Parts: sequence; C-alpha cells; structure tokens
Amino acid sequence: DAGVTQSPTHLIKTRGQQVTLRCSPKSGHDTVSWYQQALGQGPQFIFQYYEEEERQRGNFPDRFSGHQFPNYSSELNVNALLLGDSALYLCASSFRSASYNEQFFGPGTRLTVL
Amino acid sequence: AQTVTQSQPEMSVQEAETVTLSCTYDTSESDYYLFWYKQPPSRQMILVIRQEAYKQQNATENRFSVNFQKAAKSFSLKISDSQLGDAAMYFCAYRSANSGYSTLTFGKGTMLLVSP
Repeated sequence: DAGVTQSPTHLIKTRGQQVTLRCSPKSGHDTVSWYQQALGQGPQFIFQYYEEEERQRGNFPDRFSGHQFPNYSSELNVNALLLGDSALYLCASSFRSASYNEQFFGPGTRLTVL
Repeated sequence: AQTVTQSQPEMSVQEAETVTLSCTYDTSESDYYLFWYKQPPSRQMILVIRQEAYKQQNATENRFSVNFQKAAKSFSLKISDSQLGDAAMYFCAYRSANSGYSTLTFGKGTMLLVSP
C-alpha cells in the first residue's frame, strides 16, 4: 500500500514565479491537508480539501491556492513567489470519517526561492 | 486559537537511557487530541503516540509513553531505552475534536540527539 506521495522532491524558483506542488493521498483517504514548514520551525497549516472543496484555511495569503481532484489527489499553487516562501511543503492525508482522523504525511517538497 | 509550546530546542540522551520531552498547550476546548510526531532527517513525519483528552490513562506505545496533565495543559513524552534510531526532531501537536475537518497545530519541535 503506497503511502502519501509528493512531487517534486525539490524545486528551485526565482522571486515572482509561480509553482505547483502535487500530492497523492494514501489509498482510502479522502481528505488532503497542506502544511508549510520553514527551516527550524514546526509545520503550519495552509488549507484542507475535502470533496474537492477548500474546507479550512490557515493564516496564509491568497497567493496560496489549491485544488483537489475527483481521485482525491491535490495540488498546491503559490503565485508571485517571495523569498519567505522557501520552505518544506508537507501534504497529509486522512479519512474524514475515521474515529480520530489520523493524518499521514508525505515526505514533502523542498521549495527554494532565489 | 490554540497554541503549542515546546521549550526545549534540543535534548541529548545516551543509548539505553531515558529522556523526557516537554510540551505545553493552550486551549479553551475540553475535547481534543494530542500527538507526538517524529521527523527524522528523511523528513517524513511519523506519528509516535496520541492521547485523547477525555481519557485519564496515559497512552503508551512500546518504549514511548506520555504524561498527560489536562489541568496543567501539559503533555510530555518519555522515551525509555533510547536507541540511535530515535534521533530526530520531535513535534508536539494539537487537534480539536470538535471539528470534522482535522487540522494540526504544531509546536516548534525538539531535536533529540542520541549518543552511543
């Protein structure tokens, strides 16, 4: 059973560019959450998708947007990249109806903005 | 809003010894979950142990156990018989049980160093 997968592993962009990160959830999961983890910090919640809709959003600007597809996979898009967007982006999947809704994390995408 | 605080940026332990990582949190909710996650250099976040706030009994998973003090809003992790493979960043996390859309609030983490 494949766990949560993310692509690409690493990415280098320049300021002002746009980036798309991808996530495939663990088999049987229907909910995808995205987190940003700056160097030396804990992950911060960006947003969560369920049934192809954004259900909750953290304190991130509109430059951060996402999408969930019918197969439950998800994309995170960041526009007008800033140096401060450099971070590890983690995707986590879960099954909404599960008893305590454990989130399983992917290995992350390391984004570097120059 | 909930906050999670880990006051120990780094801890060291020798193999076979016991170490305790501290975590405090702030919430006005009565029903929630608490978690400890491990993040090794490979970056994959792995769940170590969880605690339901309504349970008085402390959770235990093999060498890992917690000391959950609800009134004090404290949730520490004890690792017994430490192994070299335990070396990693450890994050304490909080999740409300009141929402069907689970999101985690993390602390800043504690780096655990394990020496032979």
